[in-house]
Amino acid sequence: NAGVTQTPKFQVLKTGQSMTLQCAQDMNHEYMSWYRQDPGMGLRLIHYSVGAGITDQGEVPNGYNVSRSTTEDFPLRLLSAAPSQTSVYFCASSYGGAYEQFFGPGTRLTVL
Amino acid sequence: TQLLEQSPQFLSIQEGENLTVYCNSSSVFSSLQWYRQEPGEGPVLLVTVVTGGEVKKLKRLTFQFGDARKDSSLHITAAQPGDTGLYLCAGGGSWGGSQGNLIFGKGTKLSVKP
Repeated sequence: NAGVTQTPKFQVLKTGQSMTLQCAQDMNHEYMSWYRQDPGMGLRLIHYSVGAGITDQGEVPNGYNVSRSTTEDFPLRLLSAAPSQTSVYFCASSYGGAYEQFFGPGTRLTVL
Repeated sequence: TQLLEQSPQFLSIQEGENLTVYCNSSSVFSSLQWYRQEPGEGPVLLVTVVTGGEVKKLKRLTFQFGDARKDSSLHITAAQPGDTGLYLCAGGGSWGGSQGNLIFGKGTKLSVKP
């Protein structure tokens, strides 16, 4: 099992560009989520999904879009990148929101 | 808004010392999880505590859930350089079982020097 995979590992964008961070899991988990991690701020929930076709907003959803067409994949889209979105992004999957979260290795994004 | 406060934020100690990290909230949680995160990697679960007053041991690490299920502590005995990392607590299940989301503390960054 690969667990949770994320691509790319690193990305540099210019302000206003758009991009998609990819996330996939092979554990057949219904629940998937995206977090951003900033120094001194811990992990903050961006969006989450409790199953294919169902998504909802977390604590910091502005500027991000998600969709869940399959159980395995949960991409995160940045519509128009801003320097405030410079962060490390983690995708996670689990059996439910309050259960053990299995995290991917993260994507380090820099927006210039 | 439910918050989990972790203290201390940073901790730098010598190999062999003992340490305790705290995770406190004004809210009751049905479970409390502890994760460790190493540089360049995602967090990995260490333990989950679910019963008030529960104590769990993982080798040199001892985890305790407060009687009122509002706080937790992580104690490391005889710390080693391999314990270096970011320790995160996360509370779950306070508002509707498994459909709720975890609330993460801001973390304690531990550095253990040889």
